[in-house]
Parts: sequence; structure tokens; C-alpha cells
Amino acid sequence: GESVGLHLPTLSVQEGDNSIINCAYSNSASDYFIWYKQESGKGPQFIIDIRSNMDKRQGQRVTVLLNKTVKHLSLQIAATQPGDSAVYFCAELHTGNQFYFGTGTSLTVIP
Amino acid sequence: DAGVIQSPRHEVTEMGQEVTLRCKPISGHNSLFWYRQTMMRGLELLIYFNNNVPIDDSGMPEDRFSAKMPNASFSTLKIQPSEPRDSAVYFCASSFIQGHEQYFGPGTRLTVT
Repeated sequence: GESVGLHLPTLSVQEGDNSIINCAYSNSASDYFIWYKQESGKGPQFIIDIRSNMDKRQGQRVTVLLNKTVKHLSLQIAATQPGDSAVYFCAELHTGNQFYFGTGTSLTVIP
Repeated sequence: DAGVIQSPRHEVTEMGQEVTLRCKPISGHNSLFWYRQTMMRGLELLIYFNNNVPIDDSGMPEDRFSAKMPNASFSTLKIQPSEPRDSAVYFCASSFIQGHEQYFGPGTRLTVT
């Protein structure tokens, strides 16, 4: 029979354009968030993090925005490159040491 | 640093066999995590250790799964007996201190036939 799996949101962007990947988190008490990038056949790789006392943090070509009012997190990638093609996960830290990962968004960069 | 090291990278076994996955965390990291990733369920936390002590194993699917961390530089995840539904990619991750970013290994792709 046909297997049913997670339906990954997908995003296709032209090389050089900016990408925005969104994530809704579940726990209003979460106070630490991370974006991970996972390329095919590899483990998730840390990109950028943000704590709940901030609403914006910038890295190299990436910016994370946090809106605690609506429990929303976004990752902005400037001047998207083919090497940015991957699945991107947001993770929120619940109590203690346990992160909960979203289902991921698949980003495809069109050369 | 070599990062988190996992072995084997691929494992194919028959139903009923014992499977042992191995992980070496980044030196100096005090927390270690085992995750399972499937298309059906995404990335799931199975168990994590702080200072070699298991803290939360509520994600372990059933008694067939067990994990140990005999010292700060080594952990194992064992499945006995294995079943086809255990087929997945198993990741080990470590972090320097509790509540900080986790660094993932390359994963072990397990196929149980």
C-alpha cells in the first residue's frame, strides 16, 4: 500500500534572491531557538540561534526573527546560493535540555 | 575537532538480529543525545545523557531499545531484537552544556529486512 509520510513544505527560489523560511512553535515558555540545515545524507548542522529576550539576530547572510506574540520564528537567507539547498529545521528548547524539532522546510535554489 | 563520530554509517540486518550503534561525542561536551529520523515521524529524540547519566528516555520506543554511556567519550544505542519498522537514520548529537546548541553526527542509516 502507499505509505504516508510527513508533508514537507517546499520553497523554490532563484539563485541570488532572498529566502524566507517560517516556523511556528508550540510552547510559549520556550526561551531558546535554533535553526538547523540538513543536506541530503548528512546530519543537521547548526546555523543560528536566538534567545527569547531578543527579536532579531544576524549572522553571515542569515537573519533570524522571533515574534513571541504569535509564536513565530523565521529564517532569512540573503542572496541565496545553490549550496543553500537543503531541509531547514527550527528547534525550540523546552524545559531542561530537550529540543523539539519542527517538520522542516525543503529549500531548492534554482541556478 | 573531528566532530561527533558515529559508526557504522550504514547497517543492514535481518529482523530479529541485534544492532548496536556507536557514538563518540565532541571532546568536552557534557550532554549526549540519540535521535531517530524517518519520513513518517521526522526527527525524534530517543534519549539524552548529562555527564554520562541518562536523564530522559521517554522517547525510547519500547524495551527493545536500550542506550548506555559508560564514559564521557562513548555511547551505544542497542536494538534487540530488531524489526523492519526500526529502519531509520539514527543520529547522535552532543552539546557543551545543557540547553545549548547541539552538534550532530553524520548518522547511521539502519535497514532491517
